[in-house]
Order: sequence, then structure tokens, then C-alpha cells
Amino acid sequence: NAGVMQNPRHLVRRRGQEARLRCSPMKGHSHVYWYRQLPEEGLKFMVYLQKENIIDESGMPKERFSAEFPKEGPSILRIQQVVRGDSAAYFCASSPSASGGNTIYFGEGSWLTVV
Amino acid sequence: DQQVKQNSPSLSVQEGRISILNCDYTNSMFDYFLWYKKYPAEGPTFLISISSIKDKNEDGRFTVFLNKSAKHLSLHIVPSQPGDSAVYFCAASEGGADGLTFGKGTHLIIQP
Repeated sequence: NAGVMQNPRHLVRRRGQEARLRCSPMKGHSHVYWYRQLPEEGLKFMVYLQKENIIDESGMPKERFSAEFPKEGPSILRIQQVVRGDSAAYFCASSPSASGGNTIYFGEGSWLTVV
Repeated sequence: DQQVKQNSPSLSVQEGRISILNCDYTNSMFDYFLWYKKYPAEGPTFLISISSIKDKNEDGRFTVFLNKSAKHLSLHIVPSQPGDSAVYFCAASEGGADGLTFGKGTHLIIQP
């Protein structure tokens, strides 16, 4: 039973380019979360999605960041016109449902470096 | 405003002894708490959790204690082993709410 799969593991982008990070949840999980970890910081919640719906994007920067979880295929976190401050580790997690008490399971992360 | 706080950025413990990692929270609506372990360049791995209806949960060498009145939880690892060296994150959630709120982590170093 495969875990949460993220790709690419490492991504280098120049300032102004776009970054796309992909996440396939665990089998049977329909809830996806994206977290960001900046250097020397904990994990910060960005967005929570179910299939075709954004449930909570309160942690997403207002501009340049977007996320989707289409009916078919992986969840995508998209960062347009990247800046140096976007360099971070981006972790995707999934859970079977959103009811309280559920454990969420993380992927290995995607490390974005903006040069 | 940090709702989940891990005030010790690092902790050094001798192999075989008990490691105690602490976590405080401010949101009284949190009712589910988890500990994750993270190695460098890897994703966080779920370790152990506790519901607010309990005050203790044990799994092998790992025990989590919850003191709701003090809004404090702790993770005990005994005996500590070299492979326990990692960053430990405390996380909390509200019932039915979205996602988890994480602390900044404590780097546990097990000395031989």
C-alpha cells in the first residue's frame, strides 16, 4: 500500500518562473493537505482540499499560490512567479476523512529552491 | 500567534535514559493531539496520538501524557535509542476541523 507520493522531490526554479508540485494521496484517502516548512520553522498549514473542492485555504499566501485536487489525478500546488522567499520544503499529507481524531500521513516532501 | 508551542528547540539525552519532550497549546478547542518524528530530508512520520478524553496513551517505548487543565502534553521515550535522534513535532486539531496546527519542533539528540 503506497504512501503519500510527492514529486518532484527537488525542484530548482529561477525567480519569476512557475513551480508545480504534485501529490498523490494514500489509497482510499480523499482529503489532501499542503504544508510548508521554511528553514528553522515548523510546518505551516497552507490548504486543505477534497476532490474538486478547496475546503480551507486560510494558510495560502493571497497571491501567486493556488492548489487543486481534480477528480482524476494528483493534487497540484502551483506557485507562479516564484521569489527567493518561496524556497522551502512543501509537504503533502492525506487522510481518509476530515472527522476529528484522524491521523494525517505525510509524503516525503518537495524541496523548492529559487535561485 | 503560535497556538502550539514547543519551547525547547533541542534536547540532548543519554542512550538508555528517558527523553521527555514537551508541548503547550493555547486553543482550548483542540481535542486531538499527535506527535510526529522527522528525519532530515524526509517527511514527518506519525508516532503516537491522544484524544482529549484520555490523559495517557502508550505504544511500546512511547507514551504521551495530556494535561488538559494545564494545556500541556508531553512525549516520553524510554529507553532512548540512537535511532530516536530526530526532530519531533507536536500537532493538534479541533474536532472535525481541517488540518493540524504544528509546533516548531524539538531536535532530540541521543548521546551514546
